[in-house]
Amino acid sequence: DGGITQSPKYLFRKEGQNVTLSCEQNLNHDAMYWYRQDPGQGLRLIYYSQIVNDFQKGDIAEGYSVSREKKESFPLTVTSAQKNPTAFYLCASSRRGGRESRQETQYFGPGTRLLVL
Amino acid sequence: GQQLNQSPQSMFIQEGEDVSMNCTSSSIFNTWLWYKQDPGEGPVLLIALYKAGELTSNGRLTAQFGITRKDSFLNISASIPSDVGIYFCAGPTSGTYKYIFGTGTRLKVLA
Repeated sequence: DGGITQSPKYLFRKEGQNVTLSCEQNLNHDAMYWYRQDPGQGLRLIYYSQIVNDFQKGDIAEGYSVSREKKESFPLTVTSAQKNPTAFYLCASSRRGGRESRQETQYFGPGTRLLVL
Repeated sequence: GQQLNQSPQSMFIQEGEDVSMNCTSSSIFNTWLWYKQDPGEGPVLLIALYKAGELTSNGRLTAQFGITRKDSFLNISASIPSDVGIYFCAGPTSGTYKYIFGTGTRLKVLA
C-alpha cells in the first residue's frame, strides 16, 4: 500500500539527548513536511522540503534539524536545544511543492509521540 | 503564523443529527482541504476542493468551496459515534510551499 510511515510510535528522550524521528513515503511525492501538535492545539510547521537536498525552516524550527538525502525519507532530529520537546509529531507529504499549488493535496503519517523522561 | 478560523471550536450532538462547521480566512485560497483526526492518530483527508463554488460529497460528508474563496463549509449528515474526532480545514498558501491549518472543530457524538 502507498503511504507515509513514521517510526517509532512512541519515543522517550532523556535530558540533553538528541533523538531522531523517522518518516518514509512511497507516494513518489516531491515535498515533505514536519509538524508539531500540542494537546488541544492545531498544527505548527517545523521544517519542509520541496525537493531532495533542499529544506526550509517553518514557524518553529529552533531546536530541530532535518535532512533530505533521499526523496522517500525526511528524518527529524529533536536536539537538546529544544527545551520543551514533549508533543505529537506529524510528517506529511504532497506531490509537489511548487508555487502553483492548485490541485495539491497533503497526506499525513500516523505520528510519533515524544515524551521526556 | 497565519491560521484559518474554524467554528465552532467544539460541539456535542446527538447521534443521528446533522453537523455543520465552517472555516474562514482573511485571504483567498485556491484549494480547501478537510481532514479528520482521531486521538493519537494522524489527520486523514476527507474531502479536497479545488474550485470556487464546488460542492463535493464523500458518503455522509459534504463540503463546499465558498464563492468568495475565503471560506469553506463541511456538513456531516446523520452523525454516528465514530464521527467523534477533530476536524481541520487546510489550504496551501498562494505563492509559497506552506499549508495553513485551521484551529480545528472538536466533535463529540452522544449515543
